[in-house]
Amino acid sequence: EVQLVESGGGLVQPGGSLRLSCAASGFMFTNHAMTWVRQTPGKGLEWVSGIDTGGTGTYYADSVKGRFAISRDNSKNTVYLQMDSLRAEDTAVYYCARNMKSDLDYWGQGTLVTVFS
Amino acid sequence: QSVLTQPPSASGTPGQRVSISCSGSSSNIGRNTVNWYQQVPGTAPKLLIFRNSQRPSGVPDRFSASKSATSASLAISGLQSEDEADYYCAAWDDSLNGRVFGGGTKLTVL
Repeated sequence: EVQLVESGGGLVQPGGSLRLSCAASGFMFTNHAMTWVRQTPGKGLEWVSGIDTGGTGTYYADSVKGRFAISRDNSKNTVYLQMDSLRAEDTAVYYCARNMKSDLDYWGQGTLVTVFS
Repeated sequence: QSVLTQPPSASGTPGQRVSISCSGSSSNIGRNTVNWYQQVPGTAPKLLIFRNSQRPSGVPDRFSASKSATSASLAISGLQSEDEADYYCAAWDDSLNGRVFGGGTKLTVL
């Protein structure tokens, strides 16, 4: 069974940092690109970042470029999202999702990040 | 403002057929495949449609979708109360070099 379990969310002040993790199981992790998507409470979905299977190709939304960094450890079946210089508008539930070619076919349950002053 | 445009709400009675539209542009829907996701409040999104019109295993054939030029649509026939959820379209955008979502459509089963 495919499982994606996010962790690392929490409360942080503006300008602070957090690192989210997404532990994958139930599939061949090295065969899939991975993606982070966020959802502001009560609002819609926003693509944040993606990473290819080897970890060398990374992609970012303009809203997080230069502040967030995606990475993966294929030996640990885990993808990360390092979030620096956090802003109030980064407050959201962050989901990791598995890429199946151009589709996001499995999603984790999400982890809440709250940036408050 | 979402790159893909969806109506904010839709509704129908049990047994009816409803459609949800998704409008994009040549850089996203016009060049790439469209996905649809279903999200029941408080849960993660679930892939409903991939590659414009394909259903993952387990998704009832009451759900169907199509794409034409720079627009797409999702249809739900034989509406059931369990279909009440938020529905999102998505596609890769070649100009933004990123994935874009619609703003979501809240489906209410009356």
